[in-house]
Amino acid sequence: NAGVTQTPKFQVLKTGQSMTLQCAQDMNHEYMSWYRQDPGMGLRLIHYSVGAGITDQGEVPNGYNVSRSTTEDFPLRLLSAAPSQTSVYFCASSTTGTGEQYFGPGTRLTVT
Amino acid sequence: GDSVTQMEGPVTLSEEAFLTINCTYTATGYPSLFWYVQYPGEGLQLLLKATKADDKGSNKGFEATYRKETTSFHLEKGSVQVSDSAVYFCALEVGSNYKLTFGKGTLLTVNP
Repeated sequence: NAGVTQTPKFQVLKTGQSMTLQCAQDMNHEYMSWYRQDPGMGLRLIHYSVGAGITDQGEVPNGYNVSRSTTEDFPLRLLSAAPSQTSVYFCASSTTGTGEQYFGPGTRLTVT
Repeated sequence: GDSVTQMEGPVTLSEEAFLTINCTYTATGYPSLFWYVQYPGEGLQLLLKATKADDKGSNKGFEATYRKETTSFHLEKGSVQVSDSAVYFCALEVGSNYKLTFGKGTLLTVNP
């Protein structure tokens, strides 16, 4: 049982480039989410999904796209990277009603 | 909206000292409350939780009591260890909507 996995661990992009951050979970959790963590800001919700085919925006969705074609996978796409998207990105998953979320190890993204 | 305020860090303690990290919240409904911990270079993991007023969550020697009258959920530990050095996040979730609202985090450093 690998839990929540994220790839890559580190990424450097140039302004304007696009990329996809991968997230997968093997716990059959309905709920998955993406957060970004910035110094002094805590974690902020970007997008979330309550099941395959269902996604919604969180607190800071601009510049990011998501899709959920399977229960296991929830990729985060940066369409045109900007320096303001330099951050650590965490994926999390949860099962119904517990309120406990399981976090991946994070992806550290730098946009130059 | 919902929000969490926790004490600013960093907090530096000697081993075996008593720890308190304050957390207060505002919520639009009846929240569940959580403390998450992030060890260096890792994702967040749930430390403890409480789902109704006067509940006490506890784990690994840490405790927090859900105080509805003061809208607080302070984290305490009687004797900290070097291995407790981490960032601690207070969080809430309203109505099992899967969306966690985090505080900004408190960095704890424990010196031998």
